[in-house]
Amino acid sequence: AQKITQTQPGMFVQEKEAVTLDCTYDTSDPSYGLFWYKQPSSGEMIFLIYQGSYDQQNATEGRYSLNFQKARKSANLVISASQLGDSAMYFCAMREIGGGADGLTFGKGTHLIIQP
Amino acid sequence: DAGITQSPRHKVTETGTPVTLRCHQTENHRYMYWYRQDPGHGLRLIHYSYGVKDTDKGEVSDGYSVSRSKTEDFLLTLESATSSQTSVYFCAIKEAANQETQYFGPGTRLLVL
Repeated sequence: AQKITQTQPGMFVQEKEAVTLDCTYDTSDPSYGLFWYKQPSSGEMIFLIYQGSYDQQNATEGRYSLNFQKARKSANLVISASQLGDSAMYFCAMREIGGGADGLTFGKGTHLIIQP
Repeated sequence: DAGITQSPRHKVTETGTPVTLRCHQTENHRYMYWYRQDPGHGLRLIHYSYGVKDTDKGEVSDGYSVSRSKTEDFLLTLESATSSQTSVYFCAIKEAANQETQYFGPGTRLLVL
């Protein structure tokens, strides 16, 4: 079973609108971390935001916020006031801190295109 | 900027030849990782290291070996490259055990003909 599911292969959004990128995860480990990365067409992986499973509040970083709904195993990324430069692939990822390999498990990504 | 470089950035090789990719970091971080990225798969962990000479396998380690003889360098070797190893390879670092975020290098595009 997939541990990270991103159900939106692609999205078109008008500039200045808010964007929500969906991510659901599957784990039995009570201690885990959730991440979002941005990959522009140039190819680099850019860290955006992190949420720990025990964090009481939703993480925010500038225009990015993570809508963490633990009971639903959901970790959606919200981008407020989208800009043309937000056009990129976005990846949700998880690390199960309790055990296993010390690496991230990634979803397949969402290709976001911001239209003027 | 996490001070991560990867070399080479692009490589074309033939099936059956050995290939070594290098990840170099300037910040003395203990934890280093190798991932591969293929269309439709996101990134997948190949191997990781938690210190000099300390390495472990990830999800897709078959056909790959790694070495870390110095803190700053983490090498990924394809002993006998196959076309299925055509991919983009990313190195990543984690600053400390209690810091979860991984920062990625620029990637290496490898084409195995």
